[in-house]
Amino acid sequence: NAGVTQTPKFRILKIGQSMTLQCTQDMNHNYMYWYRQDPGMGLKLIYYSVGAGITDKGEVPNGYNVSRSTTEDFPLRLELAAPSQTSVYFCASSYGTVYSNQPQHFGDGTRLSIL
Amino acid sequence: KQEVTQIPAALSVPEGENLVLNCSFTDSAIYNLQWFRQDPGKGLTSLLLIQSSQREQTSGRLNASLDKSSGRSTLYIAASQPGDSATYLCAVGGGGADGLTFGKGTHLIIQP
Repeated sequence: NAGVTQTPKFRILKIGQSMTLQCTQDMNHNYMYWYRQDPGMGLKLIYYSVGAGITDKGEVPNGYNVSRSTTEDFPLRLELAAPSQTSVYFCASSYGTVYSNQPQHFGDGTRLSIL
Repeated sequence: KQEVTQIPAALSVPEGENLVLNCSFTDSAIYNLQWFRQDPGKGLTSLLLIQSSQREQTSGRLNASLDKSSGRSTLYIAASQPGDSATYLCAVGGGGADGLTFGKGTHLIIQP
């Protein structure tokens, strides 16, 4: 019953450092998503993927990169960390797009602070 | 651009009460609406998904309704329990967005 697994759970970075947030799912879902949640705000879509080798930008992609080499994994990379990227990051997956009436399943999130 | 609003932002009620959480959205061209529960420090747990052709969905003590034409959804919780304390998020799918569009949530506290 692993579902969507995110690592690490917490991380503190210094400005300008880089890191990769890991996300893996064991449900054989084609569709995967990265969202960020700022305090008191709704989640916003960063990037998404419709299958291995295919990624696309969401609403707030600046400062991030993604890759999708396998169905299971969808890592999110921050190249030059900035204080504005302090947030909670959630990875999600589903069988279909938001137009397919398939629910999205979320990981527990990565809490990231940039100091 | 789709916007989702949840009212109230916070709610505190005694145990046993029935309660209603509200969600409204600006673009009625949605395919579905999903209600989530978020516990502190945890991820989102999907509670109910209503397709645009449906009027309501039920799961245990939870009932979600959808009025697509008026851009409204409600989540009804019957006989509330302290374990229901959490933040409840409403999200819509479709309307031109590639992912779900979320509201800010309703922070619910059930007093024992």
